Amino acid sequence: SQKIEQNSEALNIQEGKTATLTCNYTNYSPAYLQWYRQDPGRGPVFLLLIRENEKEKRKERLKVTFDTTLKQSLFHITASQPADSATYLCALEAIKAAGNKLTFGGGTRVLVKP
Amino acid sequence: KAGVTQTPRYLIKTRGQQVTLSCSPISGHRSVSWYQQTPGQGLQFLFEYFSETQRNKGNFPGRFSGRQFSNSRSEMNVSTLELGDSALYLCASTQGQGNTIYFGEGSWLTVV
Repeated sequence: SQKIEQNSEALNIQEGKTATLTCNYTNYSPAYLQWYRQDPGRGPVFLLLIRENEKEKRKERLKVTFDTTLKQSLFHITASQPADSATYLCALEAIKAAGNKLTFGGGTRVLVKP
Repeated sequence: KAGVTQTPRYLIKTRGQQVTLSCSPISGHRSVSWYQQTPGQGLQFLFEYFSETQRNKGNFPGRFSGRQFSNSRSEMNVSTLELGDSALYLCASTQGQGNTIYFGEGSWLTVV
């Protein structure tokens, strides 16, 4: 069966350090992989999208890599700040899927300590 | 421009009742999707509507249904509510596949 796995343990990190989150998937051929941020009680907020033929994408302090051979994406927050504390979700959209249907991982909670 | 708007924000229903949730997508977005989020199961896809037609469907029982109007606004309905339907219901809209998907703040449903 299809699986998308993120580290369910919270990631505690010191301010200024780089946080690295992992998203692994099996039995899936994604066309796009997306990362979202979700704060408690709020809807997810889109951060980055990376396509199957892209290796890396950057946006300000965020970097995403996508390795379709390893079936893995890494999400990096550089120079982390307490305001980066949130749950981060990865989501996949299948190749040749009609329309929009995201499959989400369980999310990883990040806590940045001052 | 205005984001995705969901109403109501919070509601409490009794087992056996039905509920209707509403979603207004971002102007110009024709694709509207619904997701259920629970602590145990995470975010799960319910269904997607495009131009008033259901285009994708997740693995939920028939008690969960939806529709989309000509102005792209969407509603989802859950009939014969069960305790396990207590969740955050999220609506998302987008211009198309591969584009940014915008989520609303969700409707918190508690079934007692």
